[in-house]
Amino acid sequence: GAGVSQSPRYKVTKRGQDVALRCDPISGHVSLYWYRQALGQGPEFLTYFNYEAQQDKSGLPNDRFSAERPEGSISTLTIQRTEQRDSAMYRCASSLTSGGRSYNEQFFGPGTRLTVL
Amino acid sequence: AQSVTQLDSHVSVSEGTPVLLRCNYSSSYSPSLFWYVQHPNKGLQLLLKYTSAATLVKGINGFEAEFKKSETSFHLTKPSAHMSDAAEYFCVVTDDKIIFGKGTRLHILP
Repeated sequence: GAGVSQSPRYKVTKRGQDVALRCDPISGHVSLYWYRQALGQGPEFLTYFNYEAQQDKSGLPNDRFSAERPEGSISTLTIQRTEQRDSAMYRCASSLTSGGRSYNEQFFGPGTRLTVL
Repeated sequence: AQSVTQLDSHVSVSEGTPVLLRCNYSSSYSPSLFWYVQHPNKGLQLLLKYTSAATLVKGINGFEAEFKKSETSFHLTKPSAHMSDAAEYFCVVTDDKIIFGKGTRLHILP
């Protein structure tokens, strides 16, 4: 079956523009996670959803970052007024069962590489 | 507070020799621990996970890891490296949060 997909795969934007990154999880997966990965670093947790409910957004760096998953499937991560420091790989993952104290296996998408000029 | 430390940013081994990738963690609770692998230009893939069952966990591609609470370690091992093992490996600890280590890049020498 299809895995997690993300679009676009690459995004180049100018500083100050808004961007929207899309994640399409594996069908039927309850939980969806967003990460940011800088070059040479591990993924950094941003936020996650169970169904359409945003469970934890403590990893979002500031209020320019937001995410939604309105129908409990596809999710969009939006960055407003982008800055050069936002340049990174943004990764999405989904898992079959809900996240909690004992997280389950996450299936990762290929990522969106964002470059802010 | 929880944290994870991968002790080596790069490890080089010869093909056919053992692999050891080190990971230490700290956690206030009984954590779940994972190893993920990332091949170039591909997404992350789960190698194995520990969730308070057997302390020796076997994963895919011949990898295994042992949870040692007394040493707060979860080192990844493989008896015999293969060229296809060349990749970046991430140790992950989860209890209240999901924390990835900075990664260890494994190089396999012919």
